[in-house]
Amino acid sequence: EVQLVQSGAEVKKPGESLKISCKGSGYSFTSYWIGWVRQMPGKGLEWMGIIYPGDSDTRYSPSFQGQVTISADKSISTAYLQWSSLKASDTAMYYCARQGGNLPANFDYWGQGTLVTVSS
Amino acid sequence: DIQMTQSPSSLSASVGDRVTITCRASQGISNSLAWYQQKPGKAPKLLLYAASRLESGVPSRFSGSGSGTDYTLTISSLQPEDFATYYCQQYYSTLYTFGQGTKLEIK
Repeated sequence: EVQLVQSGAEVKKPGESLKISCKGSGYSFTSYWIGWVRQMPGKGLEWMGIIYPGDSDTRYSPSFQGQVTISADKSISTAYLQWSSLKASDTAMYYCARQGGNLPANFDYWGQGTLVTVSS
Repeated sequence: DIQMTQSPSSLSASVGDRVTITCRASQGISNSLAWYQQKPGKAPKLLLYAASRLESGVPSRFSGSGSGTDYTLTISSLQPEDFATYYCQQYYSTLYTFGQGTKLEIK
């Protein structure tokens, strides 16, 4: 069974750094792209970027380029989303999702989400 | 970027109704369109891909159609568990974009 399990909710202060994770199982982690999607409170879905864990090829949405870093550790089947300096506007639910095939493709499996709250 | 415009943004309907949600792309996307369902507090769930292909396990009351820039999601007979928010997503361009969502509520 394909599963993406994300790390738990985080509460941080503005200016702090953060790295959240997404662990894949039940499939060949290195053979499928993993994407990250933001959902701000009460709002819709925004695609942030994707990574191919096999070779760490990474693509970013222009809206998020330079704001976050996406990485992966294929040895432990885990993808990451990180911030170096959080802002209050980063408060959102973040989902990882597996892409169903070669670029470009839809997302077929989703993690349960990680809620990030940034507040002073 | 390819802009995706969904309509309506919200919809009230009754169990048993047939409903249609529309998604329009700012340029042709060659059926590279997926539909997702999201319930409150849950992750999105893939319903259809390639505009009309039903994901495994999804009830056949869900169907998709369209071409070029205009696509529709139809639910043939609403069930209580279908009340949720629905999103379209284009993957014609690797700069993926989602529609703004359609909230389907019980009348």
